[in-house]
Amino acid sequence: AQSVTQLGSHVSVSEGALVLLRCNYSSSVPPYLFWYVQYPNQGLQLLLKYTSAATLVKGINGFEAEFKKSETSFHLTKPSAHMSDAAEYFCAVSVGNQGGKLIFGQGTELSVKP
Amino acid sequence: DAGVTQSPTHLIKTRGQHVTLRCSPISGHKSVSWYQQVLGQGPQFIFQYYEKEERGRGNFPDRFSARQFPNYSSELNVNALLLGDSALYLCASSLGGAGQLYGYTFGSGTRLTVV
Repeated sequence: AQSVTQLGSHVSVSEGALVLLRCNYSSSVPPYLFWYVQYPNQGLQLLLKYTSAATLVKGINGFEAEFKKSETSFHLTKPSAHMSDAAEYFCAVSVGNQGGKLIFGQGTELSVKP
Repeated sequence: DAGVTQSPTHLIKTRGQHVTLRCSPISGHKSVSWYQQVLGQGPQFIFQYYEKEERGRGNFPDRFSARQFPNYSSELNVNALLLGDSALYLCASSLGGAGQLYGYTFGSGTRLTVV
């Protein structure tokens, strides 16, 4: 069965610092991996997705993630945090034989200090 | 272009009542999925519909049901509401049934409060 683990329910960084949000997945077949962001009282916005092409995936707002099969990881990074990056971030996995089902991690709340 | 629209945005119901939530996908998208997000947790998959047929169902009781209409809009119905059904209900649309290839676009959700 597929699963996603996000390490750290809360991450705090200073403005301008590196953002690193960790995600590990479990899947017996090649996975599709996603990062979503959720601002308060809003839905989910797709940041980026991995669909078995390049292992380094660039997304919106300066975020990127690297798929590492050997480590079963898909960590999200951004070189320099902005105050506007403060939000909840979700990693999700989907597999080809389960069509539209996304399995989400528990989420990581990112705080950005001035 | 309009995104995924959900209605209503907020709803308060009493235990035991029935509720219907509605979702209109992005124009041209034929797949709709429903998720339940309890406060402080990640979304949980409830249903996926593609071309008006159920393609997947999550681990939810039979009180939860859904359908998709010829115009690809969808309804989620929940009967005999429990306090634990209080959550944000999210709808996601995708161009095809294999949503992971095309990507999923989420609506802003319906906040359901059961009292």
